[in-house]
Amino acid sequence: AQSVAQPEDQVNVAEGNPLTVKCTYSVSGNPYLFWYVQYPNRGLQFLLKYITGDNLVKGSYGFEAEFNKSQTSFHLKKPSALVSDSALYFCAVRDIDSSASKIIFGSGTRLSIRP
Amino acid sequence: NAGVTQTPKFRVLKTGQSMTLLCAQDMNHEYMYWYRQDPGMGLRLIHYSVGEGTTAKGEVPDGYNVSRLKKQNFLLGLESAAPSQTSVYFCASTRHPLRGNKVTDTQYFGPGTRLTVL
Repeated sequence: AQSVAQPEDQVNVAEGNPLTVKCTYSVSGNPYLFWYVQYPNRGLQFLLKYITGDNLVKGSYGFEAEFNKSQTSFHLKKPSALVSDSALYFCAVRDIDSSASKIIFGSGTRLSIRP
Repeated sequence: NAGVTQTPKFRVLKTGQSMTLLCAQDMNHEYMYWYRQDPGMGLRLIHYSVGEGTTAKGEVPDGYNVSRLKKQNFLLGLESAAPSQTSVYFCASTRHPLRGNKVTDTQYFGPGTRLTVL
């Protein structure tokens, strides 16, 4: 069965510093991986996805993610954090056993950017 | 386009009461989903639908029913609410992966319904 793990419940970063939110995956076959962000009292918003091709995927709001097959990781990164990046971030993987485009979400990481 | 909308935004129920949550999308998406979000557990799939008139169970379907009578609407029902169903409920939709992009799977989410069962 497919799964993703987000080992950190919370990540704290100072504004202007680089940030990394970690995600590891477990899939049989080629993974389709996603990052979503949830701002307070809002629904989830799509940030970026990896399907195939370049290991560095660029997404919305200056975020990028690096796919690493040998480490089975898909970490979310941003070179310079903003206070407005504070939110809940979810890593997700497509359920390849499903024909219904189902996505399996990680437990989420709360990112807090201090001024 | 409004995207994905959900009604109501908030609701408080007493144990044993029933209610229906409505999800509507105006993107002509074939696939629709209902999730619940609980602290520390991410999103868990309750039910989903791959087209008008079809529904299927997800990871945590017990205590819920759904209907997809129209393509744009996906209803989630609680027949007899329990405190364990206190949660935030999200609806999402996506296109059929064989239409448009070869692989899409990007799900578009509604703003959520916060439900409290006393």
